[in-house]
Amino acid sequence: DQQVKQNSPSLSVQEGRISILNCDYTNSMFDYFLWYKKYPAEGPTFLISISSIKDKNEDGRFTVFLNKSAKHLSLHIVPSQPGDSAVYFCAASDLTVLPIMEYGNKLVFGAGTILRVKS
Amino acid sequence: NAGVTQTPKFQVLKTGQSMTLQCAQDMNHNSMYWYRQDPGMGLRLIYYSASEGTTDKGEVPNGYNVSRLNKREFSLRLESAAPSQTSVYFCASSESTQATSSQATQYFGPGTRLTVL
Repeated sequence: DQQVKQNSPSLSVQEGRISILNCDYTNSMFDYFLWYKKYPAEGPTFLISISSIKDKNEDGRFTVFLNKSAKHLSLHIVPSQPGDSAVYFCAASDLTVLPIMEYGNKLVFGAGTILRVKS
Repeated sequence: NAGVTQTPKFQVLKTGQSMTLQCAQDMNHNSMYWYRQDPGMGLRLIYYSASEGTTDKGEVPNGYNVSRLNKREFSLRLESAAPSQTSVYFCASSESTQATSSQATQYFGPGTRLTVL
């Protein structure tokens, strides 16, 4: 049972245009969401996150939107650049159910979306 | 400040062989994690250690063991490798001293690509 789904395996966008990557989740207890970017032969790098008390978080060219009622989040990249070409993973966590110092925080990942930005 | 380091980068094993993947972090983080990444499946949690001295199973623990050697180091052991364990393995860490979003963010190492023949 996939709790976090990225239904688009790949996305191709022209340089300078907007890239929109989507993510859906099923577990209503998730209250913290993250996006990671991964280049080939490297580890995932943290990109941006959002807490469930917000519906938008911006960091430079990257904005994450959260729609709790639809259990949907999206990552917008504006403007897209060729260096943004990578795999993007959505991840979710529930920070409230157990003491984090005793149980850590388990992330549930989506399958990833390959973004190609064409120049 | 190297962040999270993993050794080795690549490994080829024969079925039945054993090996240990090493992970170390220099960020003074409390929690450490081992994931595997397979095509089309994202990252799946194998084992994690919420704090020094504790370990627990994740989503796919069968065939693996772990040791939290100290606060910095967390190793993953394959006792008898199987072809189904061919994957890319990532170690991660997070601060995790309070249930705040910044402390829950996980930081990843570069990965170990393992092939079991």
